[in-house]
Amino acid sequence: DAMVIQNPRYQVTQFGKPVTLSCSQTLNHNVMYWYQQKSSQAPKLLFHYYDKDFNNEADTPDNFQSRRPNTSFCFLDIRSPGLGDAAMYLCATSRAPDGPYEQYFGPGTRLTVT
Amino acid sequence: GQNIDQPTEMTATEGAIVQINCTYQTSGFNGLFWYQQHAGEAPTFLSYNVLDGLEEKGRFSSFLSRSKGYSYLLLKELQMKDSASYLCAGMDSNYQLIWGAGTKLIIKP
Repeated sequence: DAMVIQNPRYQVTQFGKPVTLSCSQTLNHNVMYWYQQKSSQAPKLLFHYYDKDFNNEADTPDNFQSRRPNTSFCFLDIRSPGLGDAAMYLCATSRAPDGPYEQYFGPGTRLTVT
Repeated sequence: GQNIDQPTEMTATEGAIVQINCTYQTSGFNGLFWYQQHAGEAPTFLSYNVLDGLEEKGRFSSFLSRSKGYSYLLLKELQMKDSASYLCAGMDSNYQLIWGAGTKLIIKP
């Protein structure tokens, strides 16, 4: 089945220790997104890629970086995690501009910072 | 500015009907989405409306009024497994989703 895969599902890191989260997709969608979601809050868009074009949200901290080496894979790097970065990180994909526009989500990576 | 408003929490009884409302303001408009999110899991797509009116999909229906900036999600014959958060999201002119914080739906036996 076509899907969005995220690894790992759970990640524990120490304060200030870099961490990388990965996402892959078999949907062949051209748009990929990284969201941060904290408990009982809306998903917060960090970045998205439209094909190879990288789009950084204005309020995404510099501590967060992303890479998309090819259509199928995308990575989220947190250079120096702080306690406030503990959250669920969601990867999603969609197809644009022709649609359908719904975003398909991976299962998420829950990040704990100790 | 862009904004999505929906109630924080609702309670309903198993077997009943519940309507979750959403009002939206987006820069341009390319449709309104509803997602279901169980605790600790990722959102899953429920519905997409871009034209006014009601879209029915099994026990779930979604309604849109573009002139009022208003949508609702209607859930019929509620089951315990419907206990979840329901997220409303408007798509703006850049095809980006503006998300609401979600409505936590509690189903009681």
